[in-house]
Amino acid sequence: QVTLKESGPGILQPSQTLSLTCTFSGFSLSTYGMGVGWIRQPSGKGLEWLANIWWDDDKYYNPSLKNRLTISKDTSNNQAFLKITNVDTADTATYYCARMRATTPYYYVMDAWGQGASVTVSS
Amino acid sequence: DIQMTQSPASLSASLGETVTIECRASEDIYNGLAWYQQKPGKSPQLLIYNANSLHTGVPSRFSGSGSGTQYSLKINSLQSEDVASYFCQQYYNYPLTFGSGTKLEIK
Repeated sequence: QVTLKESGPGILQPSQTLSLTCTFSGFSLSTYGMGVGWIRQPSGKGLEWLANIWWDDDKYYNPSLKNRLTISKDTSNNQAFLKITNVDTADTATYYCARMRATTPYYYVMDAWGQGASVTVSS
Repeated sequence: DIQMTQSPASLSASLGETVTIECRASEDIYNGLAWYQQKPGKSPQLLIYNANSLHTGVPSRFSGSGSGTQYSLKINSLQSEDVASYFCQQYYNYPLTFGSGTKLEIK
């Protein structure tokens, strides 16, 4: 059974750095074709993909936030991480991590999601 | 970026009805499309991938179709537990992008 769980600071102030952790089980990020993605959702709004990391440490970022994002992983401890620098109120959202799995040699789908971590940016 | 235009934004239907949600991509995405269901207060759950493949454990009343730039999700015989928001997402190209969502309610 695949499970993922996000953890974060809950509340932080503008200009600070947001650090999020995704702790997962049921798969390994050292397995060929596996990845973890980060997605966020402001309250009552739609979904925005932020970044993802692959088994071979390849990384992709949303260009709209690229300079502020850093994704990484700790394969031994089954964790993935996301840092967002210089946050402001627009970064207030629920942040999800999701497993990404190959369905074809080219296509990867987010087939399991965590419960989400609520993050509020406020002074 | 590939823009995903989803319609309608909201939908109200009766139990047992069939409903269809549409998603249009701004360019050909070659069936690189998924549909997710998000119940109130919960995380999104995968329903359909590669435009028409049913994810494990998803009831067969859900189906996906389409090609090129036009895709749809159909729910047959609507049940009360189908009350949720539904999102399409393309993974043909980066950045990965989502539709704006469809909120489904029961009449």
